[in-house]
Amino acid sequence: SQTIHQWPATLVQPVGSPLSLECTVEGTSNPNLYWYRQAAGRGLQLLFYSVGIGQISSEVPQNLSASRPQDRQFILSSKKLLLSDSGFYLCAWREWVSEGLYGYTFGSGTRLTVV
Amino acid sequence: LAKTTQPISMDSYEGQEVNITCSHNNIATNDYITWYQQFPSQGPRFIIQGYKTKVTNEVASLFIPADRKSSTLSLPRVSLSDTAVYYCLVGENQGGKLIFGQGTELSVKP
Repeated sequence: SQTIHQWPATLVQPVGSPLSLECTVEGTSNPNLYWYRQAAGRGLQLLFYSVGIGQISSEVPQNLSASRPQDRQFILSSKKLLLSDSGFYLCAWREWVSEGLYGYTFGSGTRLTVV
Repeated sequence: LAKTTQPISMDSYEGQEVNITCSHNNIATNDYITWYQQFPSQGPRFIIQGYKTKVTNEVASLFIPADRKSSTLSLPRVSLSDTAVYYCLVGENQGGKLIFGQGTELSVKP
């Protein structure tokens, strides 16, 4: 079966510190992978997506970067965190739902608080 | 990517049928309509997806008129556990990206 793993679940980091969030998927190959951020309140903002190893598309200019070193691994990073980087970070991958239809499965998320 | 508009919030009572309508006036020919449900501190969960007419699964029904400029998510006999934010998304189905709007916060009361 296909699963998605995201860690850590919560993280408190000081301003100016580095960040590394990891997401891995199992049971599939060459998935499309995505990083979203949800600030306080609603609305998920797409940060990055990747259609293959080393292929990263950035949606908004920001203090973050993403990498895909392996087929089923997607990493979100920052060299120096800002207060505005606080939020709920979600990794997602696209999976086949039924004939001709695809859905996106999300990880459990990482609650990042920058202090 | 087509922009979507849906109510910010809705209230309902247990046992009622809830219909959440989403407007997507500039939907493209290749776009599918997908609904997600999100509970606090969890990632969104796929509910249902459709292209036209009506789609039904064990969780909900999705009604799409012929012009496809809107869609309605129907939740039969809601319970307290259906309290969540519901997102309507419109986009092509061959990869690429999903853009989420603000969603509809559904509150089910006893």
